[in-house]
Amino acid sequence: QKEVEQDPGPLSVPEGAIVSLNCTYSNSAFQYFMWYRQYSRKGPELLMYTYSSGNKEDGRFTAQVDKSSKYISLFIRDSQPSDSATYLCAMGNAGNNRKLIWGLGTSLAVNP
Amino acid sequence: NAGVMQNPRHLVRRRGQEARLRCSPMKGHSHVYWYRQLPEEGLKFMVYLQKENIIDESGMPKERFSAEFPKEGPSILRIQQVVRGDSAAYFCASSGEATGNTIYFGEGSWLTVV
Repeated sequence: QKEVEQDPGPLSVPEGAIVSLNCTYSNSAFQYFMWYRQYSRKGPELLMYTYSSGNKEDGRFTAQVDKSSKYISLFIRDSQPSDSATYLCAMGNAGNNRKLIWGLGTSLAVNP
Repeated sequence: NAGVMQNPRHLVRRRGQEARLRCSPMKGHSHVYWYRQLPEEGLKFMVYLQKENIIDESGMPKERFSAEFPKEGPSILRIQQVVRGDSAAYFCASSGEATGNTIYFGEGSWLTVV
């Protein structure tokens, strides 16, 4: 079993839909959780950072962490065609030399 | 440009040649990371460096791969005697004391071995 599991999709939604992206993990030592967005042939771009459990909101994006279930989510409200990209979850724990463990990424297409 | 700078963006090498990939971290950042991305494997950590020191190279293949981050100049990822399986996107990322655990990526270097 991989340390981080992420459904690769592809996920296709109409413009304006609410998108839910998820990752599960097995290592209970993970303390911080991130979501990155990656456009084709580009580097990953940090979207959200969350430390420990809870919710964090930034504009149309909401990140949720449920450490008891080892489950994290990214919600995108009012999705736009420009949100079409691959979304990667990443996580790590203190003292691990800042080494992040990554999901494979979920490919999202938002159709106008 | 204040971002992480990688070059070359695209590199073609014949089997057996050497590939050198360069990375200049974001201004003020002293930590550099190299990742490799393959289509079916996602992002894989390779090495974490600070100036003149390799902190963690647990993701580096044991042979042919090396990395450095000298006191002056960019970080270099060097692949000797490249093979077709080295074809991938190589991403550099950087962080600083002020960024905590978050890292910021460059645009990547795409290596093709023919």
